[in-house]
Amino acid sequence: DIQMTQSPSSLSASVGDRVTITCRASQGVSVDLRWYQQKPGKAPKRLIYAASSLQIGVPSRFSGSGSGTEFTLTISSLQPEDFATYYCLQHNSYPYTFGQGTKLEI
Amino acid sequence: EVQLVESGGGLVKPGGSLRLSCAASGFTFSNYGMNWVRQAPGTGLEWVSSINSHGTYKDYADSVRGRFTSSRDNAKNSLYLQMNSLRAEDTALYYCATGGFDIWGQGTMVTVSS
Repeated sequence: DIQMTQSPSSLSASVGDRVTITCRASQGVSVDLRWYQQKPGKAPKRLIYAASSLQIGVPSRFSGSGSGTEFTLTISSLQPEDFATYYCLQHNSYPYTFGQGTKLEI
Repeated sequence: EVQLVESGGGLVKPGGSLRLSCAASGFTFSNYGMNWVRQAPGTGLEWVSSINSHGTYKDYADSVRGRFTSSRDNAKNSLYLQMNSLRAEDTALYYCATGGFDIWGQGTMVTVSS
């Protein structure tokens, strides 16, 4: 099974900050990596697919990069609505696996 | 509007069974693979199962293999998850999601407790 190690598990930041979240795969997943945002009581929302492609409707302050085993999600300038939990997901091979999540807090 | 609506959750005793449903609308359901994902209270996301568009290929997480069965009825635009031999650790909010995990339902809660 492919393990996804996401870091940090939590992050304190302020409005306007630039933040980066990392996911490392235990083996290569090519660019079969997606990023999700989840707010309390809500379903996850897809932000990034194919490691670096921005989902339609998602603000351009979100960006993704990486391939193989190391991936990053960057938020260039945090907005109040960005405080949430973020997850990566590899869909290269079964069983699909999520990272443990990063809780982004003020 | 593209929408997925789960139902069928509830309280069940250990060893019991439950069948979840996911009703799809606003897109051509029969063209898409589908997934089940769960989230135990206060924890992260766990992939449970995937099924292809025809229902001929299915895969499962090791934690549910042999106990859970995914199926679909394309004529009814519906996805199902039959859950047998339920355990306390199956307690979670269960989401259905499209094959690309781009559209998610609101989830249905399953609680396994005596």
